[in-house]
Amino acid sequence: GNSVTQMEGPVTLSEEAFLTINCTYTATGYPSLFWYVQYPGEGLQLLLKATKADDKGSNKGFEATYRKETTSFHLEKGSVQVSDSAVYFCALSDNYGQNFVFGPGTRLSVLP
Amino acid sequence: NAGVTQTPKFRILKIGQSMTLQCAQDMNHNYMYWYRQDPGMGLKLIYYSVGAGITDKGEVPNGYNVSRSTTEDFPLRLELAAPSQTSVYFCASLGTSGRFGGTDTQYFGPGTRLTVL
Repeated sequence: GNSVTQMEGPVTLSEEAFLTINCTYTATGYPSLFWYVQYPGEGLQLLLKATKADDKGSNKGFEATYRKETTSFHLEKGSVQVSDSAVYFCALSDNYGQNFVFGPGTRLSVLP
Repeated sequence: NAGVTQTPKFRILKIGQSMTLQCAQDMNHNYMYWYRQDPGMGLKLIYYSVGAGITDKGEVPNGYNVSRSTTEDFPLRLELAAPSQTSVYFCASLGTSGRFGGTDTQYFGPGTRLTVL
């Protein structure tokens, strides 16, 4: 079946540092890929998405590129802020866009 | 639009009690989902629905039941609560664009934190 693997956290960075959170996936067909963010005490919010190979999703300074050859969708940000502290989930949906699989989440803490 | 709403926000149950977690969405979405999130873990799918009157099991359905009598509402029923059901429960909905390839996004409610003692 489909699956998503994320780098284990927690990740602790200083403000303005570069962020990478690795995500790889296993899926049949042509999944769509997502990054969701969960702030403390809240539900998940979509951060960005990509629907086909070589697409780049971007939002709020975060970027991720759909790499079919390496089955990856790594999240990056050039300069993190304290307000980026949250848990980040990589996810995919199947061909039909109905069934979602989530990774275990990576907790990011950004220190001032 | 209120989006996806869930009630209650918090609940403490005793072992063996029953309760219903409410979920509603006002976006006219066909697909709705229930997930649980255990501490430090990702989301696990409990049940989902592709439209009114249609539900199906996810990865961890045991101990739960759902119904979908309307497009808007998707309640989750816990019968005979057990400590293993202590978790945060999230409801989500998904619109359908009609485009093959899964371009749609799930919208999540704020969650219900349930403790079973």
